[in-house]
Amino acid sequence: NAGVMQNPRHLVRRRGQEARLRCSPMKGHSHVYWYRQLPEEGLKFMVYLQKENIIDESGMPKERFSAEFPKEGPSILRIQQVVRGDSAAYFCASSLTLGSNEQFFGPGTRLTVL
Amino acid sequence: DQQVKQNSPSLSVQEGRISILNCDYTNSMFDYFLWYKKYPAEGPTFLISISSIKDKNEDGRFTVFLNKSAKHLSLHIVPSQPGDSAVYFCAASQKGSNYKLTFGKGTLLTVNP
Repeated sequence: NAGVMQNPRHLVRRRGQEARLRCSPMKGHSHVYWYRQLPEEGLKFMVYLQKENIIDESGMPKERFSAEFPKEGPSILRIQQVVRGDSAAYFCASSLTLGSNEQFFGPGTRLTVL
Repeated sequence: DQQVKQNSPSLSVQEGRISILNCDYTNSMFDYFLWYKKYPAEGPTFLISISSIKDKNEDGRFTVFLNKSAKHLSLHIVPSQPGDSAVYFCAASQKGSNYKLTFGKGTLLTVNP
């Protein structure tokens, strides 16, 4: 039973480019969460999605960031026009039950903006 | 505003001894607390949790204690093993949005053989 998968593991972008981060939840899990970890900080909640629905995006920056979890395929976190301050580790988690606080995390995508 | 605080960035312990990791929180609405363990280049792994209706939860070598009046929890690892060396994150959630975990900054535990 594969765990949560994220790709790419490392992503380098220049300022102004777009970053797309992908997350495949554990088999049978339909609840996906994205967290961001800035250097020397804890993980911070960004967004909670179910299939085709954004449930809570209260932690998402108001501009340039968007997330989706389509009916088929992985969840995508998209960052447009990246800036240096977007450099961070982005973790995806999934859970089996509705809004569970026991979440299973992927290995993360480390985004570096040059 | 840091609602979950882990004031010790690092802790070093001898193999076989007890490791005690501490966590304080400020939000009195938190009612569920979790500890995650993280190795380099991996995601956090759930370790143990406790509901606010309890003051202790035990799972093998790991015990979490909750002191609600002090808004403090701790993770005890006995006996500590070199494989326990990792970053430990304390996290909390509140009723109504229990999926939204608030994490501390983590404590790096090193267990020396």
